[in-house]
Amino acid sequence: QQQVKQSPQSLIVQKGGISIINCAYENTAFDYFPWYQQFPGKGPALLIAIRPDVSEKKEGRFTISFNKSAKQFSLHIMDSQPGDSATYFCAASGLGNDMRFGAGTRLTVKP
Amino acid sequence: DSGVTQTPKHLITATGQRVTLRCSPRSGDLSVYWYQQSLDQGLQFLIQYYNGEERAKGNILERFSAQQFPDLHSELNLSSLELGDSALYFCASSENPGGESTFGSGTRLTVV
Repeated sequence: QQQVKQSPQSLIVQKGGISIINCAYENTAFDYFPWYQQFPGKGPALLIAIRPDVSEKKEGRFTISFNKSAKQFSLHIMDSQPGDSATYFCAASGLGNDMRFGAGTRLTVKP
Repeated sequence: DSGVTQTPKHLITATGQRVTLRCSPRSGDLSVYWYQQSLDQGLQFLIQYYNGEERAKGNILERFSAQQFPDLHSELNLSSLELGDSALYFCASSENPGGESTFGSGTRLTVV
């Protein structure tokens, strides 16, 4: 069963633009929401993560927005660069629960 | 280097064969997870171990099995291999179940 739904499946953004990827979850027991970045042929790497006690977390050009009541969270990449071109996965887990991943979004940033 | 070591990096084998993939978790991590990623697909959770015990099972086929040893390394055994089993297999580890996971660089399995 898919407990984390991610959209869009693919995204093309111009250099300098804002990339936005959305995720929705079902299990209210989830309390940890990371985003992973994966380059071709590499393993996913943790990019940024948030817990539901805050509504937003920013690290450099990457921001997570979290809406607990709607059970949704999103990744915003500001000033997108060609080097950001990768596949992004959202995920959700709770203590004792295995981490559930979204289906992934392939981001292409055009120069 | 993420600290999670997977071997081998590449594996080519014939249908019907059996292979073993190995994972050494990051130092201090007790949980190990296995994922399968087919071409252009997402991460399919297979199985999780915590301190030697199976903790959660995902979409793992009966032909597949895994274990975590006392030194915390883990092995994923794939048997009666089929062409459709060709994929990247990732191992990840975390200190606690459901906590921040660190991924290895994966084993690319090709079944011919």
